[in-house]
Amino acid sequence: NAGVTQTPKFQVLKTGQSMTLQCAQDMNHEYMSWYRQDPGMGLRLIHYSVGAGITDQGEVPNGYNVSRSTTEDFPLRLLSAAPSQTSVYFCATKQTSGNNEQFFGPGTRLTVL
Amino acid sequence: AQSVTQLDSHVSVSEGTPVLLRCNYSSSYSPSLFWYVQHPNKGLQLLLKYTSAATLVKGINGFEAEFKKSETSFHLTKPSAHMSDAAEYFCVVTKPGGYNKLIFGAGTRLAVHP
Repeated sequence: NAGVTQTPKFQVLKTGQSMTLQCAQDMNHEYMSWYRQDPGMGLRLIHYSVGAGITDQGEVPNGYNVSRSTTEDFPLRLLSAAPSQTSVYFCATKQTSGNNEQFFGPGTRLTVL
Repeated sequence: AQSVTQLDSHVSVSEGTPVLLRCNYSSSYSPSLFWYVQHPNKGLQLLLKYTSAATLVKGINGFEAEFKKSETSFHLTKPSAHMSDAAEYFCVVTKPGGYNKLIFGAGTRLAVHP
């Protein structure tokens, strides 16, 4: 099993460009989420999904869109990138029962110039 | 409402000496608590978790943490630091249940010197 995979690993964008960060999981977890990690701030939740067709906003959703058409995939879209979105992005999944342990992908390092 | 405070942003120890990373939480519910570790340029890995069973929780790589409700603390310890322990550590609190969100502390960066 690959677990949680993210692509790309690194990306550089210019202000105003759009892109999609990909996240895929093969653990059949219903819950998927996106976080951004910034120095001194821990991880902050951007968007999450509790199943196919269901998404909701987290703590810092502005500037990001998500969709969940399948259990396996949860892409994160930046419609018009801004320098403030320079960050490391992590996708995470968990079962909706049990003790809330989340499984994290390896991350995508995004720089917006 | 829930929150978590990691009391030290940086901790430096010598190899072979004890490690103490401090975490205090605030929760209006009986919380679930976790410690995650992040090695440089890597994703997050679960070290250990507290979910209302034993208050002393043992994790991987010799780490353990004690849940102290009276002090609202969940400090992470290890008797003897190893060079490979150098990483960033995150304390996390959540309300038990399937859909509840994780609240992360700001992180503590552990440096281990020879």
